[in-house]
Amino acid sequence: DTEVTQTPKHLVMGMTNKKSLKCEQHMGHRAMYWYKQKAKKPPELMFVYSYEKLSINESVPSRFSPECPNSSLLNLHLHALQPEDSALYLCASSQAPPGGSSGNTIYFGEGSWLTVV
Amino acid sequence: GENVEQHPSTLSVQEGDSAVIKCTYSDSASNYFPWYKQELGKRPQLIIDIRSNVGEKKDQRIAVTLNKTAKHFSLHITETQPEDSAVYFCAASPILNQAGTALIFGKGTTLSVSS
Repeated sequence: DTEVTQTPKHLVMGMTNKKSLKCEQHMGHRAMYWYKQKAKKPPELMFVYSYEKLSINESVPSRFSPECPNSSLLNLHLHALQPEDSALYLCASSQAPPGGSSGNTIYFGEGSWLTVV
Repeated sequence: GENVEQHPSTLSVQEGDSAVIKCTYSDSASNYFPWYKQELGKRPQLIIDIRSNVGEKKDQRIAVTLNKTAKHFSLHITETQPEDSAVYFCAASPILNQAGTALIFGKGTTLSVSS
């Protein structure tokens, strides 16, 4: 089973709202990721968690706040977003935290389509 | 940091022809190179990957080649079919910090296969 589950699939929120995106995997993977993808663009890395600790934050604005409650769950808390933050938010996971001599296959969830109005 | 260049940005072929997409990367420490296919409105799906200790890998109609000296890798699709139409992304996995690495993507190639 190579399933990464994301909820909700679609989210519309106002600029003053607080919402969260959720991601879950039960593959025993120890690295989890958030990517942002705009239309006709490649996925852009936002955050990486390795062994439930934040290991990479790609200079993401503080209105995006990641959280990893346990090894299977990853959340992205959203607050005071701007219309330009509207995008597809992809969660992904890989078996082991990368950094060794071999790469690790990264599996993407279906994504959460976010619209900020 | 790592930079991945992908060419061409669009590619149109006739059904049955071959398609080749090329990528170059900048970080010689990168050691993992996957290719993803993304259909409209869907998630990126891994179609093939190659690691730095291998020069070529094939899976049915899809093959990937890697030249570590030149720092480039390519995707080859033979006998293309209309259902191969999608956006294809190459990626490279550099070492970003002590704790780990993450995929850096090329800008994508929109492949159109006409019947």
